[in-house]
Amino acid sequence: ETGVTQSPTHLIKTRGQQVTLRCSSQSGHNTVSWYQQALGQGPQFIFQYYREEENGRGNFPPRFSGLQFPNYSSELNVNALELDDSALYLCASSTRERSYGYTFGSGTRLTVV
Amino acid sequence: SQQGEEDPQALSIQEGENATMNCSYKTSINNLQWYRQNSGRGLVHLILIRSNEREKHSGRLRVTLDTSKKSSSLLITASRAADTASYFCATSNSGGYQKVTFGTGTKLQVIP
Repeated sequence: ETGVTQSPTHLIKTRGQQVTLRCSSQSGHNTVSWYQQALGQGPQFIFQYYREEENGRGNFPPRFSGLQFPNYSSELNVNALELDDSALYLCASSTRERSYGYTFGSGTRLTVV
Repeated sequence: SQQGEEDPQALSIQEGENATMNCSYKTSINNLQWYRQNSGRGLVHLILIRSNEREKHSGRLRVTLDTSKKSSSLLITASRAADTASYFCATSNSGGYQKVTFGTGTKLQVIP
């Protein structure tokens, strides 16, 4: 059984640029959720994908978008980066039909300068 | 927005002592989960308690849930230096999809 892997681990981007973060879900999991965690804060829910469809979204603007692929891997895209987008981005996979909690990846640390 | 609020925000104890963290939440839930996070990396799932359960144990962890008070507590017994981490409670809503909302966290330091 594989865990959740995220890439890259660290990234530095310039304000206004676009970024794509990637996540490979745990084997057998059909749901992926993305979170943003600012320093010293709890993770904030961005959105969730289930079977390639977005089925829930937090209070984030449309420039945050995502994809889930047939193999349940996922991408988070952020356009027009702002300084406040600097954070740890966490991907979590789960099985919608069973409430056993999330399996998290180690995260991508994004710094916007 | 955060659903849960942990209390205390920070806790420092000696190795071997027990650590208790509390969590309060605002809306009805399907289940409540506790996670640990080391040094700002990924979160590790510790334990899940469903809304119809009152207490659950896992190794040195004991979790209680009081849905009438919308609160939960996490007890770590016989703490170790390796327990030093941030601990978050997270609630799963009762709605159509399982949105899990995290609290603000308790930073635990266990002094050897």
